[in-house]
Amino acid sequence: EAQVTQNPRYLITVTGKKLTVTCSQNMNHEYMSWYRQDPGLGLRQIYYSMNVEVTDKGDVPEGYKVSRKEKRNFPLILESPSPNQTSLYFCASSLKLGIYEQYFGPGTRLTVT
Amino acid sequence: AQTVTQSQPEMSVQEAETVTLSCTYDTSESDYYLFWYKQPPSRQMILVIRQEAYKQQNATENRFSVNFQKAAKSFSLKISDSQLGDAAMYFCAYRRGGASGSRLTFGEGTQLTVNP
Repeated sequence: EAQVTQNPRYLITVTGKKLTVTCSQNMNHEYMSWYRQDPGLGLRQIYYSMNVEVTDKGDVPEGYKVSRKEKRNFPLILESPSPNQTSLYFCASSLKLGIYEQYFGPGTRLTVT
Repeated sequence: AQTVTQSQPEMSVQEAETVTLSCTYDTSESDYYLFWYKQPPSRQMILVIRQEAYKQQNATENRFSVNFQKAAKSFSLKISDSQLGDAAMYFCAYRRGGASGSRLTFGEGTQLTVNP
């Protein structure tokens, strides 16, 4: 089944404790992206990747890191999480840009206390 | 910078009736794409419909159709014969054309309630 998977689905952590949210797609998509969703703000892009070893900042990259060592994986790293990073996170992928559909993962609910 | 605005935080509709969700966007580009995504309580983001800006004909997908007004920069979603399963948060999204279209810019969302 073609899909985007994220782990974990739920995470409660404390301020400053490094964490990684994994994202994997099995559709051989070139383009991958991370978004965060906050009430009243919709989804905002954090980072994106056009292909292996090619990543760039989105609209809200502060406090996040990413890497794209393999085509299928695009982990999101929070080196020192803070309470303002409490949010719902989505990973997405698409074959290409333009009219191509972005396929979203199931989301990761992160709470930083 | 491109912006997408959904001016209706909440909407409700009776089952089997028709409802229209509004979306406006701001861009100076001529090449771009517009999307509507649905997010049910499961949180999964599901593509509902998409439109290429260069196409004058409005996109349709079964009970879902759009009213694309390029000059007015408006992209509304019409849901006909509403069903209980249509209840969800709906997001309008914009993407620039070409290699620079690396991001989807989303609106704030409209929460749709379907009353039986």
